[in-house]
Amino acid sequence: KNEVEQSPQNLTAQEGEFITINCSYSVGISALHWLQQHPGGGIVSLFMLSSGKKKHGRLIATINIQEKHSSLHITASHPRDSAVYICAVGGSQGNLIFGKGTKLSVKP
Amino acid sequence: GAGVSQSPSNKVTEKGKDVELRCDPISGHTALYWYRQSLGQGLEFLIYFQGNSAPDKSGLPSDRFSAERTGESVSTLTIQRTQQEDSAVYLCASSRQTRGFSPLHFGNGTRLTVT
Repeated sequence: KNEVEQSPQNLTAQEGEFITINCSYSVGISALHWLQQHPGGGIVSLFMLSSGKKKHGRLIATINIQEKHSSLHITASHPRDSAVYICAVGGSQGNLIFGKGTKLSVKP
Repeated sequence: GAGVSQSPSNKVTEKGKDVELRCDPISGHTALYWYRQSLGQGLEFLIYFQGNSAPDKSGLPSDRFSAERTGESVSTLTIQRTQQEDSAVYLCASSRQTRGFSPLHFGNGTRLTVT
């Protein structure tokens, strides 16, 4: 079993839909990161969180430490949100463990 | 510098040759990570430098791979006797604090093709 599991692996949505991407982890963590990778592009950090909830524009990230689960929500999705979203956890040893990513495609 | 800089951006090499990849992290960033991403695959951890502590080399796939970093400055990843399976995008990331406690900043990567 992977230490960081993301679901779904692939997601297709219509423009305007509310989107949720999930991340579950099995290791003790210091912090959890949500990253975005556009096709052919670099990786951008969206959020870093260790508790509660953060919001940036149409993006919301939540984490439940007890349940070892985090969600990334996108409200009013847009085709430009199409990208791979990656969850990464910072472990107690210092390294980062990445999920395999969720490929999101938002259709106009 | 404005961000993490990697060079070269693209590298094509013949099987059996050595290659050296460079990463310039953001000034003041203590933590530096090397990852690679094969076509259509997720990110694979290679090595992690954490300030003056011993680096975590547990992700290096073979003894052909090595990496160095002096203090909190530039890092180089060296692949000796390259093989075709080494073809991938090699990504470097840095952050101000270690152990994932601060946001990550990624370079644009070096696309390595071994022919």
